[in-house]
Amino acid sequence: QKEVEQDPGPLSVPEGAIVSLNCTYSNSAFQYFMWYRQYSRKGPELLMYTYSSGNKEDGRFTAQVDKSSKYISLFIRDSQPSDSATYLCAMTFTGGGNKLTFGTGTQLKVEL
Amino acid sequence: DTAVSQTPKYLVTQMGNDKSIKCEQNLGHDTMYWYKQDSKKFLKIMFSYNNKELIINETVPNRFSPKSPDKAHLNLHINSLELGDSAVYFCASSQPQGINEQYFGPGTRLTVT
Repeated sequence: QKEVEQDPGPLSVPEGAIVSLNCTYSNSAFQYFMWYRQYSRKGPELLMYTYSSGNKEDGRFTAQVDKSSKYISLFIRDSQPSDSATYLCAMTFTGGGNKLTFGTGTQLKVEL
Repeated sequence: DTAVSQTPKYLVTQMGNDKSIKCEQNLGHDTMYWYKQDSKKFLKIMFSYNNKELIINETVPNRFSPKSPDKAHLNLHINSLELGDSAVYFCASSQPQGINEQYFGPGTRLTVT
């Protein structure tokens, strides 16, 4: 079993829908949680970054962390076709330096 | 003005060959990484260098040897290529202090036949 689990999808939604993407993890030492977006044939790019538990909002994107449940989420409001990509969660811990542990990614398709 | 660049973009080669992938970043970062992404999109770190010093060395076959001639460059040499080495290899860079955003290159798609 991987340290970070993520439903691979694909997840297909209509334009304008609210999308919920999730990861579960097993290592309670993880404290820093990130979401990367990866377009087809491109490298991942950082979308959101949160520390410990709580919510963080950035435009149409909201990241949530529930450390008690070892569960993190990324919500996308008013989804657009340009949001179609693979979303990878990643996490690390204090002292882990920059060694990120990634989930397997969820492929999202937003259709017109 | 590409931030992290990799060459080549595509690499098709036969089993048993030796090949190299090059990476360069112009972001002024001190830390660089090699990741492997398999066909299921699972991204796993292989190596990390901080200012030319190896700081992360995951369980990777000895056939893989990274080399950092300076802090802006990180190369990956692979000996005796195997079918299972087929994957996309990403280079990334970041600042070393604390938890910092990693900037990824476009990837090198390696196919071993």
